[in-house]
Amino acid sequence: EVQLLESGGGLVQPGGSLRLSCAASGFTFSNYTMTWVRQAPGKGLEWVSTVVRSGDSTYHADSVKGRFTISRDNSRQTLFLQMNSLRVEDTAMYYCVRGIFAPDYWGQGTLVTVSP
Amino acid sequence: DVVMTQSPLSLPVTLGQPASISCRSSQSLVHSDGDTYLNWFQQRPGQSPRRLVYKVSKRASGVPDRFSGSGSGTDFTLEISRVEAEDVGIYYCMQGTHWPRTFGQGTKVEIK
Repeated sequence: EVQLLESGGGLVQPGGSLRLSCAASGFTFSNYTMTWVRQAPGKGLEWVSTVVRSGDSTYHADSVKGRFTISRDNSRQTLFLQMNSLRVEDTAMYYCVRGIFAPDYWGQGTLVTVSP
Repeated sequence: DVVMTQSPLSLPVTLGQPASISCRSSQSLVHSDGDTYLNWFQQRPGQSPRRLVYKVSKRASGVPDRFSGSGSGTDFTLEISRVEAEDVGIYYCMQGTHWPRTFGQGTKVEIK
């Protein structure tokens, strides 16, 4: 059974940093492009970042470019999102998602709250 | 960026009746590989999104056959043949062809 388990969310002040993790199981992690998608409270879905299977190429939304970095450790079957210079508008549930053309599995999400 | 426009944004339906959601993209979603990466997701209250349909019309594993997707180019539709109580939630279309990936605003389906 495919499972994606996010962790690392929490309350942080503006300008602070957080590192999100997503532990994957039930499939060969290194065979899949992985993605982070976020959802602000009461709002819609927003693609954040994607990393290809090898980790060599990454893509970030303009809203997070230069502040967020996606990475992966295939040996540990884990996806990461390093978030720096956090802003109030980054407050959201962050979902770990498998794939990018036709994403199939989503984790339960980890909540990031940026507040003074 | 490709803008995904859904309509309606709110859809009250009667149990057992059909429902239809439209999704239009600002550019063609035909990829250079020949596929069209238009996906539909369902988000039930308090849950993570769940994939219903991918590549326009392919039903995801475990999805009831009352859900169907259709369309081409820039114009797509998700249809529910007979709405059930468990179908309540927000439905999103998403394009996986162009960077950045973009979602529609969401359509809230509720029971009348």
